[in-house]
Amino acid sequence: DSGVTQTPKHLITATGQRVTLRCSPRSGDLSVYWYQQSLDQGLQFLIQYYNGEERAKGNILERFSAQQFPDLHSELNLSSLELGDSALYFCASSPRGDGSPTDTQYFGPGTRLTVL
Amino acid sequence: GENVEQHPSTLSVQEGDSAVIKCTYSDSASNYFPWYKQELGKGPQLIIDIRSNVGEKKDQRIAVTLNKTAKHFSLHITETQPEDSAVYFCAAWATGGGNKLTFGTGTQLKVEL
Repeated sequence: DSGVTQTPKHLITATGQRVTLRCSPRSGDLSVYWYQQSLDQGLQFLIQYYNGEERAKGNILERFSAQQFPDLHSELNLSSLELGDSALYFCASSPRGDGSPTDTQYFGPGTRLTVL
Repeated sequence: GENVEQHPSTLSVQEGDSAVIKCTYSDSASNYFPWYKQELGKGPQLIIDIRSNVGEKKDQRIAVTLNKTAKHFSLHITETQPEDSAVYFCAAWATGGGNKLTFGTGTQLKVEL
């Protein structure tokens, strides 16, 4: 158990809908990352938050947005869903988010999103 | 940006044999290289990592080597066991280009009895 929690575990929805995925980081970690894992794209970095502020952005679509709250939990919002958005979405956390020694990323168990 | 290539995509070994997975990276600014193991239905789990100021690191049956000049790093698993069967991902972190981890495409390791 990495100490990172994600809810829900599974999510099934229809095209055009909007969903929210939730992540709670490990105790003491200030940085949260979101990744998308699909069969043909592997693990793709979406976005990183550090202590409530966006720090880095990857291949995140404009239909997707995220935020990190004062209690450090984070939410990933996916809107106008398409079939191609079906994937595993992982959250990871690290103490500082700067890649310095000991700033390791620990992954949660993921949310499996299925868009029908 | 950073590009990480990983080989092979699948690897089958007999129990007790060694397994080697290789990765190359493109960004010379990358300075942190973790390896993750992902079992079916679970999130990636860090198994070992190496910083750019170190050439080799070992943890029991697992070792990682780094060649900065050639920009490649490898994962070595000795005395493989059935529970080592999983997908393994290498990754590289570069402080330039957005402070992010770029992952390889994964290696499906199967340890056969």
